[in-house]
Amino acid sequence: NAGVTQTPKFRVLKTGQSMTLLCAQDMNHEYMYWYRQDPGMGLRLIHYSVGEGTTAKGEVPDGYNVSRLKKQNFLLGLESAAPSQTSVYFCASSHDRGRPMNTEAFFGQGTRLTVV
Amino acid sequence: AQRVTQPEKLLSVFKGAPVELKCNYSYSGSPELFWYVQYSRQRLQLLLRHISRESIKGFTADLNKGETSFHLKKPFAQEEDSAMYYCALSRAYSGAGSYQLTFGKGTKLSVIP
Repeated sequence: NAGVTQTPKFRVLKTGQSMTLLCAQDMNHEYMYWYRQDPGMGLRLIHYSVGEGTTAKGEVPDGYNVSRLKKQNFLLGLESAAPSQTSVYFCASSHDRGRPMNTEAFFGQGTRLTVV
Repeated sequence: AQRVTQPEKLLSVFKGAPVELKCNYSYSGSPELFWYVQYSRQRLQLLLRHISRESIKGFTADLNKGETSFHLKKPFAQEEDSAMYYCALSRAYSGAGSYQLTFGKGTKLSVIP
């Protein structure tokens, strides 16, 4: 049972570089999310998707873009990385059962990104 | 604004002592509340949810709507309970027809042998 898998696990970027983080889930979940985790800030929602082909902004979307071309994948892009985007990024997924977040959210193992 | 507050960044207790991790929330509707746990070098995972009224690994949490609290409790702490604990609230995300899970800033529990 793979669950939610994130790639890569670690990455160091130079300011201005771009990269894409991949999240893949094999549980046929409709909802997928990208969070960032910073010391003393908890988890903050960046973007989310309620289904294939749909995305929406979360709490801290600036500087990020996302795409959900396939139901099982949710990509997070940084077009021009900045030191403020140094963080640990978590992907999560959950079912849609009318009250989707009343069900369990499954998380990936995280991606540690450093922008220098 | 909907908000989850965990007032303690760090909580240290001795093994065998009672544990209480505090969580307060502000929400205008009917909340769904959860506790998530992150053990060292592991991913976040659901510990318990208020609607289940369950006890997981000896932990319980009761939703108190009058005090807008959802504190996590365990009568006797174990060393393996050392972890980061997040309180979370689900709400409708305005205008999107979707639901969002809002997290508190987390409390690091350290159980001293």
